[in-house]
Amino acid sequence: GNSVTQMEGPVTLSEEAFLTINCTYTATGYPSLFWYVQYPGEGLQLLLKATKADDKGSNKGFEATYRKETTSFHLEKGSVQVSDSAVYFCAGYNNNDMRFGAGTRLTVKP
Amino acid sequence: KAGVTQTPRYLIKTRGQQVTLSCSPISGHRSVSWYQQTPGQGLQFLFEYFSETQRNKGNFPGRFSGRQFSNSRSEMNVSTLELGDSALYLCASSQQGPRNNSPLHFGNGTRLTVT
Repeated sequence: GNSVTQMEGPVTLSEEAFLTINCTYTATGYPSLFWYVQYPGEGLQLLLKATKADDKGSNKGFEATYRKETTSFHLEKGSVQVSDSAVYFCAGYNNNDMRFGAGTRLTVKP
Repeated sequence: KAGVTQTPRYLIKTRGQQVTLSCSPISGHRSVSWYQQTPGQGLQFLFEYFSETQRNKGNFPGRFSGRQFSNSRSEMNVSTLELGDSALYLCASSQQGPRNNSPLHFGNGTRLTVT
């Protein structure tokens, strides 16, 4: 079946540090891949997406590249800010099946 | 534009009771999906409705059911509640649903506690 695995948190970084949150998927075929973010007190919202291999999704300084050879969609940001503190969810959609990772809590300290 | 609204925000029920949760999607969105979020299992898909029809269903027992009305509002019902049903229930709306890569817009959820 389809599944999404992301690195467990929590992750604590200092402001301006480099961020990577790993995400890998298992699916028959090639799913569409997403990163969702949940800021404190708010609902989940789409951060970025990629619908085919080698696509790069980007938004708010975050990037993720759909790597077919490693079945990965790692989230990266070159310089995090305190306002990036949130829970990040990797997700994949394939064959009418939407799967989310367990979520990674990021805390950025000034 | 108003976001996805879920009511109530909190519910406390006892085992064996039934509960109904409500979700009002963003205006113009025809797809509504429901998810159960727990610390141990993360986000698990319950079902998706599109234009009043259930289009997809996750791996949950028949005690979990839902429906969608002509105005796209959706309700989810859980009968014969069990302690393990305690969770945050999230509703997400989108224009065409995940199969068309439409982004999901989530509500803040209904936190259900079963005692």
